[in-house]
Amino acid sequence: DGGITQSPKYLFRKEGQNVTLSCEQNLNHDAMYWYRQDPGQGLRLIYYSQIVNDFQKGDIAEGYSVSREKKESFPLTVTSAQKNPTAFYLCASSIMASSYEQYFGPGTRLTVT
Amino acid sequence: EDQVTQSPEALRLQEGESSSLNCSYTVSGLRGLFWYRQDPGKGPEFLFTLYSAGEEKEKERLKATLTKKESFLHITAPKPEDSATYLCAVQMRNNDMRFGAGTRLTVKP
Repeated sequence: DGGITQSPKYLFRKEGQNVTLSCEQNLNHDAMYWYRQDPGQGLRLIYYSQIVNDFQKGDIAEGYSVSREKKESFPLTVTSAQKNPTAFYLCASSIMASSYEQYFGPGTRLTVT
Repeated sequence: EDQVTQSPEALRLQEGESSSLNCSYTVSGLRGLFWYRQDPGKGPEFLFTLYSAGEEKEKERLKATLTKKESFLHITAPKPEDSATYLCAVQMRNNDMRFGAGTRLTVKP
């Protein structure tokens, strides 16, 4: 059963702590993405990776970091430098970066207090 | 500036009342336009990809169309289970993707 998994579904952290969100896919897709979704706004791209060991910043990369050591995995770390980290985070993947639809995971809702 | 605008923000329909959602875009070169459905608290679910003006795609009660400036998602005889937020996304020539803010559709029985 192919798909994208994100864990955990809900995450609570204190301000000043780093937190890592997990994203795994078994679709054999080359490209993976992280988005942030806030109420009333479109999805905004944080980071994307077209291939293992390579990734690029998206529109709102400040305060976030990623790694892509395996094709299946693309974890996102929300650092204490991110000024407004409370949001719904979505991971997606696509066959390749161009002209292909992206498939999304179920999301992680992060609350930082 | 590259922009994707969806209208209306929210739409309430009676069951069986057909309507259309709009996605207008101003981007530097279109590679593809994508429609997604998103239920509350869940990830978006892929519906359609459109690549060129004049193209149409259909799935059950949904039909997506594309012109050079906008796309429409037509919903024919909607049912309560069609209630969701519908997202439009545009991929540009440099592979960047821009998402609209979505249209929140409610279908009352």
